[in-house]
Amino acid sequence: NAGVTQTPKFQVLKTGQSMTLQCAQDMNHNSMYWYRQDPGMGLRLIYYSASEGTTDKGEVPNGYNVSRLNKREFSLRLESAAPSQTSVYFCASLGRQSTDTQYFGPGTRLTVL
Amino acid sequence: DQQVKQNSPSLSVQEGRISILNCDYTNSMFDYFLWYKKYPAEGPTFLISISSIKDKNEDGRFTVFLNKSAKHLSLHIVPSQPGDSAVYFCAASAWDTGRRALTFGSGTRLQVQP
Repeated sequence: NAGVTQTPKFQVLKTGQSMTLQCAQDMNHNSMYWYRQDPGMGLRLIYYSASEGTTDKGEVPNGYNVSRLNKREFSLRLESAAPSQTSVYFCASLGRQSTDTQYFGPGTRLTVL
Repeated sequence: DQQVKQNSPSLSVQEGRISILNCDYTNSMFDYFLWYKKYPAEGPTFLISISSIKDKNEDGRFTVFLNKSAKHLSLHIVPSQPGDSAVYFCAASAWDTGRRALTFGSGTRLQVQP
């Protein structure tokens, strides 16, 4: 039981390049989330998915797209990376019976030059 | 405008003493509060939570206190251990457009000195 996994762990991009961050959970959770964490700030929600086939914008969605491929997987795509997207990205999942206790992946550290 | 604030970016305490981490919030719609712990190069992990109908919740060495009138919560760790050294995030939950939304504070880095 791996919980929430994310790939890659580290990535360096040049401005304008694109990439997809992958996330998978094996806890049969319905809801999945993408956050970014920046120095001096808390985790901010980029997008979330309440269930397979649905996605909604969070607090900071601009410059990102997401895909809920199936119940297990939720990917985050940067179509044209910008230096402002340099951050640590966390994926999380939440079970239906849970009281807001989200389970987080280990994070992806992204640098955009 | 941060709705959840952790005004102390860092805290250092001696092993065996009490660690007190503070968190303030502004949104009166928050009805559930959580503390997460984060080690370097790992994701946050859930530590303890409290419902707004309570003023205290205890789990081993960890106790969370909620003062609704002051919109303030605190995490007490007694006794503190070197393994508690981590970043602690306060989070608050409310219903938002049909779903539960978590708002995080900026974190407090706790260092427990042996």
